[in-house]
Amino acid sequence: DSGVTQTPKHLITATGQRVTLRCSPRSGDLSVYWYQQSLDQGLQFLIQYYNGEERAKGNILERFSAQQFPDLHSELNLSSLELGDSALYFCASSGDRLPNTEAFFGQGTRLTVV
Amino acid sequence: SQQGEEDPQALSIQEGENATMNCSYKTSINNLQWYRQNSGRGLVHLILIRSNEREKHSGRLRVTLDTSKKSSSLLITASRAADTASYFCATVALYSSASKIIFGSGTRLSIRP
Repeated sequence: DSGVTQTPKHLITATGQRVTLRCSPRSGDLSVYWYQQSLDQGLQFLIQYYNGEERAKGNILERFSAQQFPDLHSELNLSSLELGDSALYFCASSGDRLPNTEAFFGQGTRLTVV
Repeated sequence: SQQGEEDPQALSIQEGENATMNCSYKTSINNLQWYRQNSGRGLVHLILIRSNEREKHSGRLRVTLDTSKKSSSLLITASRAADTASYFCATVALYSSASKIIFGSGTRLSIRP
């Protein structure tokens, strides 16, 4: 158990809908990372937050947004969903702003858009 | 685009043999990390090697880093069936205020009993 909790584990929704994925980092970790893993695109970095502030942005679509709350949990919001958004979404956390140490990954949320 | 590219994409070996996976990257790095992923599950950190290190060991794992060639290798010795998984290298860029961890495309390792 990495200590990172992601909910829900599975999500099935229709195109055009909006969903929210939730991540609780390890106790004491200030950094949260979001990744998307699909079969044809590998593991894509989406966004990173550190202590409530956005620190780094990757290939995140405008339809996607994220935030980190004062209690350090994070949410990834996906809207106007398309079939191609079906993927595993991972959250990871680490203690440092710069990842000089390991990142701990949650078990992921499997999103299926139908 | 991905920072790291693993080679080979897939590797199948007999139990007990050694497995070697390579990773090449494009930009100067702060550190390079290797992760393992069992099918459909979260990634597990294996080892981190900093840019000023050349080799690191952890149990049956040996990682090398050649910053002049922008490459790293992961060696798993005396492989076991339980080592079957995908292995990813991940890099953190040097001098970057944006602390992204960028993953390669991974090597799928299968250990035949």
